[in-house]
Amino acid sequence: GPKVLQIPSHQIIDMGQMVTLNCDPVSNHLYFYWYKQILGQQMEFLVNFYNGKVMEKSKLFKDQFSVERPDGSYFTLKIQPTALEDSAVYFCASSLGTGDYEQYFGPGTRLTVL
Amino acid sequence: GDSVTQTEGQVALSEEDFLTIHCNYSASGYPALFWYVQYPGEGPQFLFRASRDKEKGSSRGFEATYDKGTTSFHLRKASVQESDSAVYYCALGEQGGRALIFGTGTTVSVSP
Repeated sequence: GPKVLQIPSHQIIDMGQMVTLNCDPVSNHLYFYWYKQILGQQMEFLVNFYNGKVMEKSKLFKDQFSVERPDGSYFTLKIQPTALEDSAVYFCASSLGTGDYEQYFGPGTRLTVL
Repeated sequence: GDSVTQTEGQVALSEEDFLTIHCNYSASGYPALFWYVQYPGEGPQFLFRASRDKEKGSSRGFEATYDKGTTSFHLRKASVQESDSAVYYCALGEQGGRALIFGTGTTVSVSP
């Protein structure tokens, strides 16, 4: 099936540093998402992005977070500065539409903030 | 807000056993309901969906029927295999919404 790629698979950084997580969504998809999963807990929605704009974000999407997709390249999640509680696996997803359209997920980036 | 509840946290079965995972939802509108499966080290994979009352979704021997009356979307498989060992998530897509709301997940372990 369609593949979403995420780079890197693991990232270890010191608290206070900036980190950028990269996602290569399915080529013809229009909607892009980030989800956060702390080890052993459920997947939680962070943000979704369409036509160059944030459409919806959750309370987990702190002011230190930002997303963009410059010129159709990677869809990125930037955290600046990072905090210890940002340690989690971050999943990117994409879809053709919303509502009852399925979302396709990448393999995740495991972020460890020391 | 909308939510999804999965009753079973962990299920241990033997091959050829019958699997049931209970999923109940709470939503103000008429959501789409999904099942996703997640294998170790991977992201969730779409299994199937249902969008209206009494609709049955199915894939790979798994099935679930949308029941608006009992607000449920229980996952069933008649005869599991060791390769079905994974974490299963029930999820809700709000009408006109964009985020998927996931349940807490059910870890299924199938022994040969």
